[in-house]
Amino acid sequence: EPEVTQTPSHQVTQMGQEVILRCVPISNHLYFYWYRQILGQKVEFLVSFYNNEISEKSEIFDDQFSVERPDGSNFTLKIRSTKLEDSAMYFCASSDDVGLLAGGFFGPGTRLTVL
Amino acid sequence: KNQVEQSPQSLIILEGKNCTLQCNYTVSPFSNLRWYKQDTGRGPVSLTIMTFSENTKSNGRYTATLDADTKQSSLHITASQLSDSASYICVVTPANQAGTALIFGKGTTLSVSS
Repeated sequence: EPEVTQTPSHQVTQMGQEVILRCVPISNHLYFYWYRQILGQKVEFLVSFYNNEISEKSEIFDDQFSVERPDGSNFTLKIRSTKLEDSAMYFCASSDDVGLLAGGFFGPGTRLTVL
Repeated sequence: KNQVEQSPQSLIILEGKNCTLQCNYTVSPFSNLRWYKQDTGRGPVSLTIMTFSENTKSNGRYTATLDADTKQSSLHITASQLSDSASYICVVTPANQAGTALIFGKGTTLSVSS
């Protein structure tokens, strides 16, 4: 069964450093998303991406964040200068339509720890 | 403000028993409502998805109901198994946006014991 994959599974970084989280969405999907979940809290929407551009983003997704689809398979989230409060589980998701009817397939997540 | 509230926060039941989880939302208008299962340290997995015009949707031992008038949904789990132990999350998609900004509830943590 096709699945969304994410690497690394766990990333530890120093405050102020840049990190890139990687995702490989399901191959025929066109819509890509990033979410985060701070420990013990609910999942929060960060950004959605379609047709090589951001279609929607939340207040959390400030200038420190960027997304890119550098090739036909990868979808990345870059945090330019990490802060302690960026420590969270980051989930990538993809769907084959705008998401209205699709279940939205989530990856296993990358746990980011900022020291 | 668009919100999704779930209850109870946590629940412990014996294996084989049934349970019902609740979701109240203020998102209006909305496009669809989903229930996800999230195992510890893993990504959410979709269980059911209902549009605003649907009242019920089943997926094996999981049955979701939706009352769009009262803005309530429930997830009923029948004959629970140890593997049902997880967080169950109610998620609503607003209709007045591109449909990509899902609004998540905090989830109900279910523990099934033998």
